[in-house]
Amino acid sequence: AQSVAQPEDQVNVAEGNPLTVKCTYSVSGNPYLFWYVQYPNRGLQFLLKYITGDNLVKGSYGFEAEFNKSQTSFHLKKPSALVSDSALYFCAVRDKDQGGKLIFGQGTELSVKP
Amino acid sequence: DAGVIQSPRHEVTEMGQEVTLRCKPISGHDYLFWYRQTMMRGLELLIYFNNNVPIDDSGMPEDRFSAKMPNASFSTLKIQPSEPRDSAVYFCASSPDGRAGGPKQFFGPGTRLTVL
Repeated sequence: AQSVAQPEDQVNVAEGNPLTVKCTYSVSGNPYLFWYVQYPNRGLQFLLKYITGDNLVKGSYGFEAEFNKSQTSFHLKKPSALVSDSALYFCAVRDKDQGGKLIFGQGTELSVKP
Repeated sequence: DAGVIQSPRHEVTEMGQEVTLRCKPISGHDYLFWYRQTMMRGLELLIYFNNNVPIDDSGMPEDRFSAKMPNASFSTLKIQPSEPRDSAVYFCASSPDGRAGGPKQFFGPGTRLTVL
């Protein structure tokens, strides 16, 4: 079965510092991986996805993610965090055999302090 | 396009009552998904439709939950009778293409359900 894991419930960083939100996956075959962000009292918003090609994927709001096949990871990164980046972040993998439904990790709460 | 529309945004009800959540997908999207988000279990897929037909309802927790999609522009998720453990945020999402690796899913704002 396809799955993703986000090992950290919470990540705290200072504004201006680089941030990393971790995600590892377990899939058969090539994975289709996604990151979504959920701001307080809002729905989920797409950040970026990896299907194939360059291992470094650039997305919205200055975020990027690095696909690492040997480590089965897809960590979300940003070179310089903003207070407004504080939100809940979800890693997801697309189930290729069942209509493309998304399987989500538990989520990581990112808190960026001034 | 207004995006995926869900109503109500907030619902507070008492245990035993029937609850109906509504979703209007983005026009032209053939796939519709219902997700539930709780602190304990994170985001879970409940059911999804393709061209108004339920394809996979294995995520529906029990018979108290039912979902319908009578036409391409409307879907409901019903809980009858509701229980306090059903309290969660329920998201609807739509996608133009269900192929793996296809376009992303577009999520609605969610309905926050509280069952007292």
